Amino acid sequence: SQQGEEDPQALSIQEGENATMNCSYKTSINNLQWYRQNSGRGLVHLILIRSNEREKHSGRLRVTLDTSKKSSSLLITASRAADTASYFCATDAGSGGGADGLTFGKGTHLIIQP
Amino acid sequence: EAQVTQNPRYLITVTGKKLTVTCSQNMNHEYMSWYRQDPGLGLRQIYYSMNVEVTDKGDVPEGYKVSRKEKRNFPLILESPSPNQTSLYFCASSWKEVDRTEAFFGQGTRLTVV
Repeated sequence: SQQGEEDPQALSIQEGENATMNCSYKTSINNLQWYRQNSGRGLVHLILIRSNEREKHSGRLRVTLDTSKKSSSLLITASRAADTASYFCATDAGSGGGADGLTFGKGTHLIIQP
Repeated sequence: EAQVTQNPRYLITVTGKKLTVTCSQNMNHEYMSWYRQDPGLGLRQIYYSMNVEVTDKGDVPEGYKVSRKEKRNFPLILESPSPNQTSLYFCASSWKEVDRTEAFFGQGTRLTVV
């Protein structure tokens, strides 16, 4: 069953602007992960934030997690055309985690206009 | 290079003709999983495996079979494919440890059943 819900479903911004997408989930989690998918290709892991962490950075990515609101946000700063992709949040609520315990949302489709 | 390899990448088949999609990973991961991705529905888990000879149903297992005879391989079997199984399929693998649960995805298999 799907737990994560990304918002918005689609987002179009100009190159150089920041892109923010949100994820809400329903149950307790061990961690929350964000993935990127270029059109028709496999998902690529971007960043993992544990349930006891509030913010995490990786290059131009910043992820926040609010477990009291059961929500997370992914911020991409100084966007580039190559950032055009779909972004998915995935929650890990399993006892051992891993591929069996990940539940994906439906994704946010991000378009960066040159 | 660490990777998950799926074959074939594209497949067109007829209703009722048994087929197998192979998946192999070279990272010694315990967990492996199959997902299907359909427009508007996101990724839905079909089956997963926590280790050799241990498999379990995901959210949409009907019409599919899997086996895990070796740690590196996790084939997906469609005994009698139907048009509603036309989809984009992904295999994923990950470690079992709680803090190392990011999934590695294959490049996908686009299946069309006519």
